Amino acid sequence: DAGITQSPRHKVTETGTPVTLRCHQTENHRYMYWYRQDPGHGLRLIHYSYGVKDTDKGEVSDGYSVSRSKTEDFLLTLESATSSQTSVYFCAISDGWETDTQYFGPGTRLTVL
Amino acid sequence: AQSVAQPEDQVNVAEGNPLTVKCTYSVSGNPYLFWYVQYPNRGLQFLLKYITGDNLVKGSYGFEAEFNKSQTSFHLKKPSALVSDSALYFCAVRIGGSQGNLIFGKGTKLSVKP
Repeated sequence: DAGITQSPRHKVTETGTPVTLRCHQTENHRYMYWYRQDPGHGLRLIHYSYGVKDTDKGEVSDGYSVSRSKTEDFLLTLESATSSQTSVYFCAISDGWETDTQYFGPGTRLTVL
Repeated sequence: AQSVAQPEDQVNVAEGNPLTVKCTYSVSGNPYLFWYVQYPNRGLQFLLKYITGDNLVKGSYGFEAEFNKSQTSFHLKKPSALVSDSALYFCAVRIGGSQGNLIFGKGTKLSVKP
């Protein structure tokens, strides 16, 4: 999986609790992304980063925040988890923007009860 | 608004037969097109992409795709399907010249029977 790890791989939590997912890369790629995958929706972009401390919102950013303090780590935080955030979360990386391929991590399955 | 459509939720093919997974797109600029495959409980794996040049793009595992600008399509093909090709396939598009997101289709489940 192109030198990308995600942790945890599985998590069950309760509504209202904070949750942080971690993406770690060993490729020294500039761009990092967080997607969620839901049946019937494909993958949708939550947030992305184009450098250390440089982030921007994606299509479905409400209820999520991100941070990138080092090139290799991109954190996704659910400040107060809701059941609608039950999903599979994928991190991706790329070395460039428009034409470069995004490579995906193994995913984190999050269940919010 | 840009979008990607995969009109078939599922495609069933017999092993050894050719397969096609369809993708059409709607964008306002020059599209950059991608195909990914997802095996159960795994992340997405890159198969191939079209950026510019030859409309026929060859990728991993014997897959290829043809960019058709007039029909706004980017169908994925393979001459002879394998049972191990059974997976979920995603088409995605990005717009050139902008900081647009990678927009994914909803996915097509390919089932190859022996």
